[in-house]
Amino acid sequence: AQTVTQSQPEMSVQEAETVTLSCTYDTSESDYYLFWYKQPPSRQMILVIRQEAYKQQNATENRFSVNFQKAAKSFSLKISDSQLGDAAMYFCAYRSATTGRRALTFGSGTRLQVQP
Amino acid sequence: NAGVTQTPKFQVLKTGQSMTLQCAQDMNHEYMSWYRQDPGMGLRLIHYSVGAGITDQGEVPNGYNVSRSTTEDFPLRLLSAAPSQTSVYFCASSGTSGSYNEQFFGPGTRLTVL
Repeated sequence: AQTVTQSQPEMSVQEAETVTLSCTYDTSESDYYLFWYKQPPSRQMILVIRQEAYKQQNATENRFSVNFQKAAKSFSLKISDSQLGDAAMYFCAYRSATTGRRALTFGSGTRLQVQP
Repeated sequence: NAGVTQTPKFQVLKTGQSMTLQCAQDMNHEYMSWYRQDPGMGLRLIHYSVGAGITDQGEVPNGYNVSRSTTEDFPLRLLSAAPSQTSVYFCASSGTSGSYNEQFFGPGTRLTVL
């Protein structure tokens, strides 16, 4: 079974600064997807960014980028120019690309605070 | 499009009561699933369905039943609620064509069992 570990329960960053959230995972599969989800106080789960394991290039979405290290099974999220609206819980998630189940395996989350 | 809708948004039950959490999607998605979210933990899969008439268990299925009679609806039933089922419940759906299909989440239902 796959596991996802987020070792930082809480992080804090100053507005306009850069912060990196860590995620490691364990799997025996070679083909999979990795995701970062944002959960603001509204509870809504919002997809921030995704990475296909077969792609060596790191995904980027505006101020959000990832550092995907497949051999190390590491998938960190970098938020540049942090904004107050970035404050939320962030979840790292894994999904197999080879089964029809499409279930997501989540980490325990990192609460990000943004200081003005 | 409404996307994924869940009702109710909040619910308080007494131990032993039964209830059904409703989930509907209007995107013609074949795959639907239920997760629960507990404090300090990520979402965990309860049950899922790959199409009408087909359901299967996830990571934490005990105490929950599901059925899928239509593509649009995927209700989650608690037969005899227990305090351990106090949680936030999320429904999600995605298509099944192609190699990648984003999962769309509903707004969640906060359930408290006294």
